[in-house]
Amino acid sequence: KNEVEQSPQNLTAQEGEFITINCSYSVGISALHWLQQHPGGGIVSLFMLSSGKKKHGRLIATINIQEKHSSLHITASHPRDSAVYICAGPMYSGGGADGLTFGKGTHLIIQP
Amino acid sequence: DTEVTQTPKHLVMGMTNKKSLKCEQHMGHRAMYWYKQKAKKPPELMFVYSYEKLSINESVPSRFSPECPNSSLLNLHLHALQPEDSALYLCASSQTKRTGVDIQYFGAGTRLSVL
Repeated sequence: KNEVEQSPQNLTAQEGEFITINCSYSVGISALHWLQQHPGGGIVSLFMLSSGKKKHGRLIATINIQEKHSSLHITASHPRDSAVYICAGPMYSGGGADGLTFGKGTHLIIQP
Repeated sequence: DTEVTQTPKHLVMGMTNKKSLKCEQHMGHRAMYWYKQKAKKPPELMFVYSYEKLSINESVPSRFSPECPNSSLLNLHLHALQPEDSALYLCASSQTKRTGVDIQYFGAGTRLSVL
């Protein structure tokens, strides 16, 4: 099974700060997912990436395949960005039938 | 429509009850998933269905019984649960079962309490 490690587990920052969340993974992951979970429980997919960099609004995700590392950045952070951010990858290598295996999540709080 | 609908939102059941969780999507997705999430923990995969057939069972106890009656609907039948089964149960769907290719769309979850 693939494994996903994420850091930090908790992060508190002031509004406007640049936020970075890191994720490392074991061999066999063909694409990495970044997800957001709000206190109500619902999970939203932010990015799926297998190479390079993707940007959506103030969110940027990067991945380095050789180093098996991905980062999620939030620019000009805002209190509404407060949520749990989770990285996840395919549970099994091989690209066949699969579910996701998740990192432990980063609980982000942005203070006004 | 990118919505995955789960019902009920909350469920309280006794250890001798039988209940069912329901998940529905109308995006034409052919893969559907059940995940279990305990408080302050990440979700854990329970089952994967692909084209209405069970593809993965992650060694889930038989008191959880999944069913996929058609491509839009996924059920989780619950029987003789234990208090430690109390958790948020999340349903997800994706175009195919290849999580290296397809994004998963999640429902809001059913918060289950077993007394």
